[in-house]
Amino acid sequence: DAKTTQPNSMESNEEEPVHLPCNHSTISGTDYIHWYRQLPSQGPEYVIHGLTSNVNNRMASLAIAEDRKSSTLILHRATLRDAAVYYCILSRPGGNQFYFGTGTSLTVIP
Amino acid sequence: NAGVTQTPKFQVLKTGQSMTLQCAQDMNHEYMSWYRQDPGMGLRLIHYSVGAGITDQGEVPNGYNVSRSTTEDFPLRLLSAAPSQTSVYFCASSVERGSYNEQFFGPGTRLTVL
Repeated sequence: DAKTTQPNSMESNEEEPVHLPCNHSTISGTDYIHWYRQLPSQGPEYVIHGLTSNVNNRMASLAIAEDRKSSTLILHRATLRDAAVYYCILSRPGGNQFYFGTGTSLTVIP
Repeated sequence: NAGVTQTPKFQVLKTGQSMTLQCAQDMNHEYMSWYRQDPGMGLRLIHYSVGAGITDQGEVPNGYNVSRSTTEDFPLRLLSAAPSQTSVYFCASSVERGSYNEQFFGPGTRLTVL
């Protein structure tokens, strides 16, 4: 499976937008891009996913580069509850086997 | 729905002891998996199952056994615990939404092997 590269940590001020980048230069044409987050002492939870087009849901937006070699998770207004480790994951269509990297630890400053 | 449940929440074992980590889901998901997470690391896949009676190895299967006799349950067995198996263990189940699968994770079991 293709690998992803994310910064180890990022900081954001509360109520400001946050852009979390992910590089996936070896992505194949059919790989889905997933984002999950892990709050302290909890299991990961789904945030958003996409294939080629930008996606929006109630939690976040996903911006996918035209060549699909990178993507950005956008939290429009960070809250203290958004402090978590965010994982960018690739998988084949119908693929259930997720390979997690180390993710980005997001700190939200009040 | 309770979602994915795991028991116990915490466990301390001595080297060489065996135990079973329990995982159950009430969402009728066919796919289930086990991950371990070491401090400061991402999750690594241990074993997974695509349905009752079918299991396969993931990235780090050594030292662990699984079986899947029902859709609901997917226990993970440690045959002879070693300190290197000290970790947090997460069980997950997933539902197919078209060609995409969303995974649902349990709250984890924190295991310490002395």
